[in-house]
Amino acid sequence: DTEVTQTPKHLVMGMTNKKSLKCEQHMGHRAMYWYKQKAKKPPELMFVYSYEKLSINESVPSRFSPECPNSSLLNLHLHALQPEDSALYLCASSPGPGGAYEQYFGPGTRLTVT
Amino acid sequence: EDQVTQSPEALRLQEGESSSLNCSYTVSGLRGLFWYRQDPGKGPEFLFTLYSAGEEKEKERLKATLTKKESFLHITAPKPEDSATYLCAPEGGAQKLVFGQGTRLTINP
Repeated sequence: DTEVTQTPKHLVMGMTNKKSLKCEQHMGHRAMYWYKQKAKKPPELMFVYSYEKLSINESVPSRFSPECPNSSLLNLHLHALQPEDSALYLCASSPGPGGAYEQYFGPGTRLTVT
Repeated sequence: EDQVTQSPEALRLQEGESSSLNCSYTVSGLRGLFWYRQDPGKGPEFLFTLYSAGEEKEKERLKATLTKKESFLHITAPKPEDSATYLCAPEGGAQKLVFGQGTRLTINP
């Protein structure tokens, strides 16, 4: 099974709201990723967790706050977002960090900020 | 700086008309090169990993090849269900995927 699940599928939030995106995998993978994808653009890396520790932050604004409660779960907490943050947010996992392991992506959360 | 260029940006083919997609890359310390397929509004789907020049991998109508500067995704006798955006992503010394802009492939019946 190579499934990564993400909830919710769609999210509409105002600029003053606080919301969270959730990601789960049960493949025993030790690396998990958050990407942001705008329409007709490739995914852009935001964060990498390796063995439940944040290993890469691609200079993402602090209104995005990642959390990895355990090896199967990854959250992205959202607060005071801007309309330009509207995008498809993708979670991925891989057996380990680096090592050229393939990443498996979830279906994404379509976020609209109003 | 790592760079990836995919061409063409968009490609329309008739069903059964074979063609190739190109991925040119400049990446320090290439660890592997990945191909993904992405349907609109969905997450990328893993297709292939290539690790060294000369390597080839096949899956149904798709074959991926790798040289020191390029990778090709050959599609043979495509069907309408092969329509998607194909993404190339090498991983270099920074241990991050560097995605190309993708090729939007449309197969007309």
